[in-house]
Amino acid sequence: DGGITQSPKYLFRKEGQNVTLSCEQNLNHDAMYWYRQDPGQGLRLIYYSQIVNDFQKGDIAEGYSVSREKKESFPLTVTSAQKNPTAFYLCASSRREGSYNEQFFGPGTRLTVL
Amino acid sequence: KQEVTQIPAALSVPEGENLVLNCSFTDSAIYNLQWFRQDPGKGLTSLLLIQSSQREQTSGRLNASLDKSSGRSTLYIAASQPGDSATYLCAVNGAGNNRKLIWGLGTSLAVNP
Repeated sequence: DGGITQSPKYLFRKEGQNVTLSCEQNLNHDAMYWYRQDPGQGLRLIYYSQIVNDFQKGDIAEGYSVSREKKESFPLTVTSAQKNPTAFYLCASSRREGSYNEQFFGPGTRLTVL
Repeated sequence: KQEVTQIPAALSVPEGENLVLNCSFTDSAIYNLQWFRQDPGKGLTSLLLIQSSQREQTSGRLNASLDKSSGRSTLYIAASQPGDSATYLCAVNGAGNNRKLIWGLGTSLAVNP
């Protein structure tokens, strides 16, 4: 089955810890995205990557880092510099060019700071 | 700056009713508009995507329309069912190089048996 997987489904972090959220896709999509979702707010873009070994900051990149070493994978690290990391994190992917940029989403990771 | 608004924020209807969800946007220079569904605690499912050159798209009981000049899109759900209960989000893809999605806050729909 083609799709996007995110792991873990639930993640708990202690103060001062870095944690990494996994996102993998087998859709052969070039572009991948990380969003954060908080109650009462629209989805906010953290980082996006249009091609391997390249990525750009979104609207709320501070306290987060990413890498794109493989086309299929786009992990997100939530660092201790992110002051309010408790949220629902969504990964998405899309074809890059010559397409309609339709985005497809994974099931999400819920991060809670203890 | 593009802003996307969805009205109403919440809607409760009896099963079988036809209903319309609204999405409005402030800048008509869009590439496309996408409607999504989100169940509680889950990821988003893409429902329909309308290109800027299109007026509507249909999938099963769903029909989405786009009126760029007035900055509006509607999602029509025919013969609603309890399984349609979810939050419906619309997102606008801006024209030009900055093709990032701008999101509405969603409409939370409850279809009661």
